[in-house]
Amino acid sequence: DTGVSQDPRHKITKRGQNVTFRCDPISEHNRLYWYRQTLGQGPEFLTYFQNEAQLEKSRLLSDRFSAERPKGSFSTLEIQRTEQGDSAMYLCASSQRDRPSSYEQYFGPGTRLTVT
Amino acid sequence: GESVGLHLPTLSVQEGDNSIINCAYSNSASDYFIWYKQESGKGPQFIIDIRSNMDKRQGQRVTVLLNKTVKHLSLQIAATQPGDSAVYFCAENKNTDKLIFGTGTRLQVFP
Repeated sequence: DTGVSQDPRHKITKRGQNVTFRCDPISEHNRLYWYRQTLGQGPEFLTYFQNEAQLEKSRLLSDRFSAERPKGSFSTLEIQRTEQGDSAMYLCASSQRDRPSSYEQYFGPGTRLTVT
Repeated sequence: GESVGLHLPTLSVQEGDNSIINCAYSNSASDYFIWYKQESGKGPQFIIDIRSNMDKRQGQRVTVLLNKTVKHLSLQIAATQPGDSAVYFCAENKNTDKLIFGTGTRLQVFP
C-alpha cells in the first residue's frame, strides 16, 4: 500500500500523559499536513511542512503540541500533558506541491486519541 | 470571516437516484475547492476539485458546480449507489495549502 499511513490507529491515555503519533506520507510527497477532527465536525488544520521545514501553525496548536519532520519524510506529532479536550482523530495528509494538480491532499486513516 | 458550511446535515436518497450535496462558503478570495468523502473510521478521500476560474467540472459519476456569485458549491452524484453512503465535506483553499473544511453532510442511500 503506497498511501499515507499513520501509527498507532488508536491510542487511549490518561490525562497528563504524553503521546506521540507518527505519519508516513506518500513517497516523495514534499508537503505533509496535520489536522484534527472531532466527532461530527470537519478536519481542522493544525500545521504543515514542506520537506523538513514547518511553514505554518494554527493557533489551535498550543504549546503542548509539537510536530517534527526531521528528514523531510515521516513526521511525528507529540502532545504533552494531555487533556480530555485533546480527544479527537488526528489526521495526516500529504501532497506533492510542484505538480499541476498539487492542491490534492491525500489523507491517512487517522489516529484516534482518547484521553481518560 | 472564514467559514465553509453545509446546508443539510443528512441527505437520504434511494439507490439509483441522483444526489445533490450543497455547500456555502464565505470567503470570496478562495481559489480552489475540493469535495472529500469520509467513510466511518477512515480518513477523507478526495473526490473532485474545482478552481475558482471554472464553474463546472465532471468526473466519473460526479459533477461539481461552483457559483461564485452566491458563493455556493455543489456535488452531484449520478445513480447513487450504496457504496456512496458516507459523510461528504467541502473544503476550500486560499493558496496557503491550508484546507478549511465544513461540518459535513451525511449521505444515506437506501434500497
